[in-house]
Amino acid sequence: SQKIEQNSEALNIQEGKTATLTCNYTNYSPAYLQWYRQDPGRGPVFLLLIRENEKEKRKERLKVTFDTTLKQSLFHITASQPADSATYLCALEGGYNKLIFGAGTRLAVHP
Amino acid sequence: KAGVTQTPRYLIKTRGQQVTLSCSPISGHRSVSWYQQTPGQGLQFLFEYFSETQRNKGNFPGRFSGRQFSNSRSEMNVSTLELGDSALYLCASSPQGGGTSTDTQYFGPGTRLTVL
Repeated sequence: SQKIEQNSEALNIQEGKTATLTCNYTNYSPAYLQWYRQDPGRGPVFLLLIRENEKEKRKERLKVTFDTTLKQSLFHITASQPADSATYLCALEGGYNKLIFGAGTRLAVHP
Repeated sequence: KAGVTQTPRYLIKTRGQQVTLSCSPISGHRSVSWYQQTPGQGLQFLFEYFSETQRNKGNFPGRFSGRQFSNSRSEMNVSTLELGDSALYLCASSPQGGGTSTDTQYFGPGTRLTVL
């Protein structure tokens, strides 16, 4: 069955540094992959979508890469700020508006 | 534009009872998906509705059901509640039908259900 793995450990970084989060998947070949941000007690918020034929996508301080050979996506936040502290979720499309989510990686950015 | 709204925000029930949760999608959105989020299992897909039809279903028992109305509002029902049903239930709407793929999902704040 489809499996998505994200760093289960929390990621702690200093303000101003680049945070890099990893999403690996198996037994699947998604047409695209999405990244969401979730704050405690709130629903996930869409950040970026990258298609299988795109190697890289950028939006302001965010960058996502998608390697279909390695079955891996990397999510980068440059010049990180304490306000970036949240859980980041990787999601694969499962057809008909079904998302298959990873467990998420909790990011803590320290001043 | 108003976001996805879910009611109630918090709910406490006892085992064996049933519960109905409501979701109003963003105006113009026709697809509504439901997810269950627990600390142990993370976010898991329950089902998706488009134009009042269930098109996709996750691996949940038949106690979990849903429906969608002509105005795209959706409800989900859980019957014979179990302790393990305690979770955050999230609703998400999408502007398009998604076809055989998946559109960007716009999530509501969720309903926190506690089963005692």
